[in-house]
Formats: sequence, structure tokens, C-alpha cells
Amino acid sequence: NAGVTQTPKFRVLKTGQSMTLLCAQDMNHEYMYWYRQDPGMGLRLIHYSVGEGTTAKGEVPDGYNVSRLKKQNFLLGLESAAPSQTSVYFCASSLQTSGYTFGSGTRLTVV
Amino acid sequence: GQSLEQPSEVTAVEGAIVQINCTYQTSGFYGLSWYQQHDGGAPTFLSYNALDGLEETGRFSSFLSRSDSYGYLLLQELQMKDSASYFCAVRPPKSQNFVFGPGTRLSVLP
Repeated sequence: NAGVTQTPKFRVLKTGQSMTLLCAQDMNHEYMYWYRQDPGMGLRLIHYSVGEGTTAKGEVPDGYNVSRLKKQNFLLGLESAAPSQTSVYFCASSLQTSGYTFGSGTRLTVV
Repeated sequence: GQSLEQPSEVTAVEGAIVQINCTYQTSGFYGLSWYQQHDGGAPTFLSYNALDGLEETGRFSSFLSRSDSYGYLLLQELQMKDSASYFCAVRPPKSQNFVFGPGTRLSVLP
């Protein structure tokens, strides 16, 4: 039982490049989330999904897109990376009213 | 707004008891959660208070007063491994997500 798996764990991008962060969960959770974590700012919600085929904007959605084609996967895309998107990205999943299970994170640096 | 306030840092010695407070600047919310995060690691779920009162799980207890928009995490018999950041999170009304506080960095000294 792997829980929530994120790939890649580390990535360095040049400004303007694109990439996709992958998140997979094997707990049959309906809800999935993408957060970014910056020093002193806690966790901020980027996008979330309440079920297969649905997505919604969170607190800081600009510059990101997401897709939830399968219940177990939630993809986060950066179309044109900017230095302001340098951060640690966490994927999480949950049942409707339970606590979150987080992935191990992706450390992204945009130069 | 939906801002949460936590102390930025707390220091205590091994074996002591420490309380980390969390206040929420709005009226009404569904439940309060607490997460622990070690440096370089992912947040891990500690507790969830759906109702007012005290919830105890081993050395950790969590308290919620929704009328006061206030909660706290109580850590007893502190151990060195408890050195970590602790985040509170609340679910605002009509929301399907939790909003996280800025985190409190706990340092446990020998």
C-alpha cells in the first residue's frame, strides 16, 4: 500500500519551460489536492478535485492547470514556468471528511 | 478573510509539556486538524476535532472551541523526535478544503 506517490521528487526548469507533476493514490480517495509550500507561508491550495473528471481552483491557481482523468491520478501542469513558481509542491488525497494523506513532495526550482 | 494564526516558534525541553495555539479569524468553521512536518518531509495527519472539546491520542491532545474560533495542540512528555513544524488547518463553511495555518516550529532541547 503506497499511499500517495509523487513524481518527480526534484526538478530544475528554465524560465518558460513546461512540465507536469504526477500524483497517484491507491486508497480509493475521492478528493485530491495540489498545494505549494513556501517558507513562512504554510501550505497554499493551488487546485483540487472532488472526483474523477472534476477540478476546481484553489487559493493560488494562476500559472497552473490540472487534470483528473482517472480517480487515482491528479496531474499538475506548469505551461510556462516562472521563478515565482520555485517551491515545494505537495499532493494530498482524502475521503470527504477525513484528514489528508500527503505525498513526499516535489522540489521545483525555476531558474 | 480565512487567516489562521499560530506562534512562529516554540522551544521546550525534553520531558516537558508544550501547547501550540491556533486561532481562526472568521465566524464558524467545520473542524480543526493538526499536522506534523519534519524538515524535508511531508505533513502527516495528527488529529481532527469535529466537535468542541478535547481529543487525546497518546502523548498528543487537541482541543477545539468553535465559539472562540480557537484550538490548541498539547504535546506531553516531549521527545527529541517531536522537533518539527506543526500546522493547524480548518475547513471554512461551505468549503470542501482545509485552510492551513503558517505553522509553528517546535524545538525540543535536551
